[in-house]
Amino acid sequence: DGGITQSPKYLFRKEGQNVTLSCEQNLNHDAMYWYRQDPGQGLRLIYYSQIVNDFQKGDIAEGYSVSREKKESFPLTVTSAQKNPTAFYLCASSTGTGPSYNEQFFGPGTRLTVL
Amino acid sequence: AQSVTQPDIHITVSEGASLELRCNYSYGATPYLFWYVQSPGQGLQLLLKYFSGDTLVQGIKGFEAEFKRSQSSFNLRKPSVHWSDAAEYFCAVVPSGGYNKLIFGAGTRLAVHP
Repeated sequence: DGGITQSPKYLFRKEGQNVTLSCEQNLNHDAMYWYRQDPGQGLRLIYYSQIVNDFQKGDIAEGYSVSREKKESFPLTVTSAQKNPTAFYLCASSTGTGPSYNEQFFGPGTRLTVL
Repeated sequence: AQSVTQPDIHITVSEGASLELRCNYSYGATPYLFWYVQSPGQGLQLLLKYFSGDTLVQGIKGFEAEFKRSQSSFNLRKPSVHWSDAAEYFCAVVPSGGYNKLIFGAGTRLAVHP
């Protein structure tokens, strides 16, 4: 079955540690995205990538980094510079031409908790 | 400022009752419009979308939404709610010319009473 997988489902981090969240898709989508979700704030865009080896900052990129070495993979690293990293992280992807390019499909999410 | 507003944070309805969830946006030109649903601890599932054409769009799970340009609104409706519809609902917008950048509302949490 085609879809987006995120791992791990739950992640605990000590303050000062970097952690990497995995996102893999087998939908053959060109574009991939990372969002952060906090209660009562909807989703906010961290980074996005429209093509392999290229990515752009979203609205809240500070304290995060990404790479896009393969079409199917878009890992997110939460660095120690992120001051409040406890949140639910969602990965998404999209493809198509015209307006359909904006239709994003989401993974199941990773809940990160800083201890 | 450009934004997406979902005025209702929480809504409670009885099973079998009708439902309307409100969404307003503040972009000048007609954007692309989406409704997503999220069950607790899960990812988002697309319910329906509007790009152009007929302003009444049908989605999955018996949902529909109507785009009203004069009111800058894209309200989600369902004629008869089921207990399984309890979830959080997000309206999202891609501003015209804002190539694949989804802007989300804060969400409306729906509770369904038996």
